[in-house]
Amino acid sequence: EAGVAQSPRYKIIEKRQSVAFWCNPISGHATLYWYQQILGQGPKLLIQFQNNGVVDDSQLPKDRFSAERLKGVDSTLKIQPAKLEDSAVYLCASSLEKGEQYFGPGTRLTVT
Amino acid sequence: AQSVAQPEDQVNVAEGNPLTVKCTYSVSGNPYLFWYVQYPNRGLQFLLKYITGDNLVKGSYGFEAEFNKSQTSFHLKKPSALVSDSALYFCAVRDWGDYKLSFGAGTTVTVRA
Repeated sequence: EAGVAQSPRYKIIEKRQSVAFWCNPISGHATLYWYQQILGQGPKLLIQFQNNGVVDDSQLPKDRFSAERLKGVDSTLKIQPAKLEDSAVYLCASSLEKGEQYFGPGTRLTVT
Repeated sequence: AQSVAQPEDQVNVAEGNPLTVKCTYSVSGNPYLFWYVQYPNRGLQFLLKYITGDNLVKGSYGFEAEFNKSQTSFHLKKPSALVSDSALYFCAVRDWGDYKLSFGAGTTVTVRA
């Protein structure tokens, strides 16, 4: 079975620029998650979708971060404008309802 | 609120020796507990989970974990470590009634030949 796909794998941008990340979950997984993993820390949940609806976005910095999952399958996470402290690995995960989460390889973002 | 503590930033063991990675948790209800492993430049890989039932859970790559409700712990163990087990290990918890998964800060395991 194909795993969670993410692109790009690496991205370097300057502060105040915008960036977008894409995620395609495992087929049939209704729940999709975006995490931010800062170096030396565990992943922190940014937003969780159930199909195309948002379940939890309480830790998403909504002034600069946005995410959508329009057709209930793949998802896009956007940062506009980026700050230096946004440098991190952005992980996408998917699961069946409340089952274990399966993670993609992540996108490593460097903001200079 | 739920949280996870991994008290050791690093664990170093010799190949062939037993490996233990510690985890304690806090939840308001019944816990669902997970261990994940992360290799360099890779995403997190699921190792094992505890939902209910037997307190000793067996997972991938010879790993197991023991749920201890009285000590609110879920330590990861492997009887004989391999050099290839060197990686970053994360413990995670969620309340049975919740979707949200909370991760510990991670423990770097180094197995020397």
